[in-house]
Amino acid sequence: GQQLNQSPQSMFIQEGEDVSMNCTSSSIFNTWLWYKQDPGEGPVLLIALYKAGELTSNGRLTAQFGITRKDSFLNISASIPSDVGIYFCAGSFLNTDKLIFGTGTRLQVFP
Amino acid sequence: EAGVTQFPSHSVIEKGQTVTLRCDPISGHDNLYWYRRVMGKEIKFLLHFVKESKQDESGMPNNRFLAERTGGTYSTLKVQPAELEDSGVYFCASSLLPGQGTDTQYFGPGTRLTVL
Repeated sequence: GQQLNQSPQSMFIQEGEDVSMNCTSSSIFNTWLWYKQDPGEGPVLLIALYKAGELTSNGRLTAQFGITRKDSFLNISASIPSDVGIYFCAGSFLNTDKLIFGTGTRLQVFP
Repeated sequence: EAGVTQFPSHSVIEKGQTVTLRCDPISGHDNLYWYRRVMGKEIKFLLHFVKESKQDESGMPNNRFLAERTGGTYSTLKVQPAELEDSGVYFCASSLLPGQGTDTQYFGPGTRLTVL
């Protein structure tokens, strides 16, 4: 089945550092999404990307939809303790609502 | 406005038993989705309801899983009989508009199922 390769699996960084994570796929996606999951909660949408090459920011977060439609990255600048959580990329194909998720990147931020 | 709610938050059952998970979507959302995350793996799609109809059930693992959404409001996911590999976190999500993955799916907190 479809698979998204997300890396890194985990990151341990110091407060104030920048973070980058990415997802790649062998399939072409119509939409790329980035979600964050806090402990005990469900995933919450951070950024949605709909066009190849699109670069979108949401506060300290920036994400890009790769030109080939097969990859995306998420950057977090100047990390803070509340950035801790699991970040998931997800993609969807044309004419379907079904989301294909990556395996997640667990982020730990130390003061 | 209340978000997506799921019940129970945790369930521990023995292999062979039956468990029913419930999801209440955001009021007015016609689209309801079930997903599952097995420990350390990706979140996997199970199925998608539009109102009371199953739009896509391509992710349902086998016939031990039965999802219903009578009346197009809340949904239940029954696992009968449960097997060890069914353990994981079951997420429900809902969205307002159908089609093409462009409408935000709002996730519930999940039900953590442990099968012993």
